[in-house]
Amino acid sequence: DQQVKQNSPSLSVQEGRISILNCDYTNSMFDYFLWYKKYPAEGPTFLISISSIKDKNEDGRFTVFLNKSAKHLSLHIVPSQPGDSAVYFCAANYGGSQGNLIFGKGTKLSVKP
Amino acid sequence: KAGVTQTPRYLIKTRGQQVTLSCSPISGHRSVSWYQQTPGQGLQFLFEYFSETQRNKGNFPGRFSGRQFSNSRSEMNVSTLELGDSALYLCASSLIATGGGEQYFGPGTRLTVT
Repeated sequence: DQQVKQNSPSLSVQEGRISILNCDYTNSMFDYFLWYKKYPAEGPTFLISISSIKDKNEDGRFTVFLNKSAKHLSLHIVPSQPGDSAVYFCAANYGGSQGNLIFGKGTKLSVKP
Repeated sequence: KAGVTQTPRYLIKTRGQQVTLSCSPISGHRSVSWYQQTPGQGLQFLFEYFSETQRNKGNFPGRFSGRQFSNSRSEMNVSTLELGDSALYLCASSLIATGGGEQYFGPGTRLTVT
């Protein structure tokens, strides 16, 4: 049973436009939600996180929104750049443990010049 | 500061053999977690260690084991390898073991079982 779901395997966006990546979860016990970016042949790189007590967190071009009632979060990238092309993973953890991340299966973002 | 290193980067083993993978966390990091990435299942949590103690374990058979040493370096072992164990094994470290802070991932070890 997948606790973290990314229903869109891929997304294509024009350079300069907004990229919106979505993630749904089923476990209401999750404390933190995180987004990671992964390039081929590299490990995932942390992008941004949000605590379950907040509904928005912003870091430069990246903003994460959390809707607890809908058990949904999204990552907005504005403006999108070709270098943002990668696989984006949504992850969550609970019980105060940072190391036990539950990952979605990822969304491949392609930003076209 | 050096990142998370994993050795070896690539490994080919035969079904039935056993394998040991190594992970050196970022200096000062005491928490180390292991993940398995496969095309079908995505990234799945294996186990987490903090100060040489296993804190959490994912839903994997007992053939998968790990340990952490006093210098925070960690190893994972897979015994009696099966074809389905072919995957990218990722190690991640963090400064502390609680909260929502980031984990730093290594480049992974690509294990192929034939």
